[in-house]
Amino acid sequence: AQKVTQAQTEISVVEKEDVTLDCVYETRDTTYYLFWYKQPPSGELVFLIRRNSFDEQNEISGRYSWNFQKSTSSFNFTITASQVVDSAVYFCALSDPVNTNAGKSTFGDGTTLTVKP
Amino acid sequence: EPEVTQTPSHQVTQMGQEVILRCVPISNHLYFYWYRQILGQKVEFLVSFYNNEISEKSEIFDDQFSVERPDGSNFTLKIRSTKLEDSAMYFCASRSSDSEPLPWYNSPLHFGNGTRLTVT
Repeated sequence: AQKVTQAQTEISVVEKEDVTLDCVYETRDTTYYLFWYKQPPSGELVFLIRRNSFDEQNEISGRYSWNFQKSTSSFNFTITASQVVDSAVYFCALSDPVNTNAGKSTFGDGTTLTVKP
Repeated sequence: EPEVTQTPSHQVTQMGQEVILRCVPISNHLYFYWYRQILGQKVEFLVSFYNNEISEKSEIFDDQFSVERPDGSNFTLKIRSTKLEDSAMYFCASRSSDSEPLPWYNSPLHFGNGTRLTVT
């Protein structure tokens, strides 16, 4: 069965610090897709990034970067020079083709990031 | 940018009452979902819907729950007889079928802003 583990429940940093959010996943499939979503205090869920299982190229986009390592089943997310507006709950999610008409995404428990001024 | 819209934003109901949560997915999307989030907890899958039928449902989605796409634009979640433990934020999501050259389940979920259901 699919499982996503975000071991960090809460992280608190001071503005301008770098912070890494961890995500470890389990799946029996060789093809799967990983996502990060952000949930700010206003409550909506916003898509940030996706990665597929055969693309281990890591990416940097502005202050955000992602480290996907298939060997350790991890898909970590780093924010450099954090800002107060980054305060949110961050969810890692796994989508795999077990049921190809469903495309269910399994979410981790989320990591609450608080960035203090 | 096209959005998923959900109404109402907040619904208060008494235990045992029926509620219908409404969603308008993005118009060219083909895959539709309901997720729920009990306050402060994880986002839980309820049901997926494709080609006018349920494609997968979770153990949470029991006989009290049903989904419909009555008119080609709306996507509704009905809870027949609400319980206190149904109190949660309910998110509707839709997903594009166009993700070529990758399979469609590579495309991200587009979520609505949620309906907060409070059962008293």
